[in-house]
Amino acid sequence: EAQVTQNPRYLITVTGKKLTVTCSQNMNHEYMSWYRQDPGLGLRQIYYSMNVEVTDKGDVPEGYKVSRKEKRNFPLILESPSPNQTSLYFCASSLRYSNYGYTFGSGTRLTVV
Amino acid sequence: DQQVKQNSPSLSVQEGRISILNCDYTNSMFDYFLWYKKYPAEGPTFLISISSIKDKNEDGRFTVFLNKSAKHLSLHIVPSQPGDSAVYFCAASDETSGSRLTFGEGTQLTVNP
Repeated sequence: EAQVTQNPRYLITVTGKKLTVTCSQNMNHEYMSWYRQDPGLGLRQIYYSMNVEVTDKGDVPEGYKVSRKEKRNFPLILESPSPNQTSLYFCASSLRYSNYGYTFGSGTRLTVV
Repeated sequence: DQQVKQNSPSLSVQEGRISILNCDYTNSMFDYFLWYKKYPAEGPTFLISISSIKDKNEDGRFTVFLNKSAKHLSLHIVPSQPGDSAVYFCAASDETSGSRLTFGEGTQLTVNP
């Protein structure tokens, strides 16, 4: 089944403790992206990657890192999480140019205390 | 600067009636528009799209209208069904940004039986 898989689905952590949210897609998509969803703000892009070893900042990149060493994987790294990074995170992937936009993962609910 | 805006956070309609969800954009470079639907605890899923060379696209009960001069698009659902209750996101892209999508804040649609 074609899908984007994120792990974990839920995570509660403490301020400053480094964490990684994994994302993997099995559709051979070139493009991958991370979004966060917050009430009243919709989906805001954190980072995106046009292909392997090519990453770029989205609209809200502060406090996050990403890497794209393989085409299928695009992990999101929070080196020193803070409470304002408490959010619902989505990974997405697509072909380079697609009429159907993204395929999204199921989301990761992160709480930083 | 919110380039894609959905001014109605919520909409409630009766089953069988028409649902109209609205979206406005400010970036005149946007040339492709999409609607996504999101259920709780799931990632957004693609619903319907429209290119800027068209003013209407229809897929079953869903129709998207684009008014380029007003920088406005709308999603019509006829007839509305209780299973349509979800958050709907409007998104836009331009050819210079490739696969990158800019999303609106979302509208929670509730269809009452």
